Amino acid sequence: EIVMTQSPATLSVSPGERATLSCRASQSLNSNLAWYQQRPGQAPRLLIYGASTRATGTPARFSGSGSGTEFTLTISSLQSEDSAVYFCQQYNNWPPYTFGQGTKLEIK
Amino acid sequence: QVQLVESGGGVVQPGRSLRLSCAASGFTFSSYAMHWVRQAPGKGLQWVAVISFDGTNKYYADSMKGRLTISRDSSRNTLFLQMNNLRAEDTAVYYCARQLYSDTGAYYYWGQGALVTVSS
Repeated sequence: EIVMTQSPATLSVSPGERATLSCRASQSLNSNLAWYQQRPGQAPRLLIYGASTRATGTPARFSGSGSGTEFTLTISSLQSEDSAVYFCQQYNNWPPYTFGQGTKLEIK
Repeated sequence: QVQLVESGGGVVQPGRSLRLSCAASGFTFSSYAMHWVRQAPGKGLQWVAVISFDGTNKYYADSMKGRLTISRDSSRNTLFLQMNNLRAEDTAVYYCARQLYSDTGAYYYWGQGALVTVSS
């Protein structure tokens, strides 16, 4: 099973600043990695797939990068509505599909 | 537009069974694999099971293997999850989800979730 590790667990950033979230895989994923945003009481929302492709409806301030075992989600110019928990997920080697434990992003 | 609507959640005693349903619409149901993903209260996401587009292949998370059966009825555009011998640690919101594309295991479409509470 591929283990996904996200860091940091919690991130507090001021509006307008940049947030950088990390995700590390225990084995190479090629580029088969997705990022999700989850607000309280809502289902997850796909932001990025293929490590760097924005899903339909994802604002341009969200960008994904990385390959192999190291991946990054960058949110430039943070807005208040970006406050959420962010999860990474691998779909390279399955079953099982596996998720990171999440990064909680707080807007100061 | 694509819609996934779960039903069948509720409170169930340990050791009992429950069947969740997910009604799909807005796409050709028989063309896509379908998944169940769960989230315990205050916790992260855990993949539970997947069934292939034609129902011939099924895979389960090890933590629930032997207690789960995933199935689909393409005539009714409905996905099912039969859960047996439920435990307290199975308490979670259960989401059905569809991959963005048939060959991309990222979930673009999610249901609203069905809460399953296992408690005596």
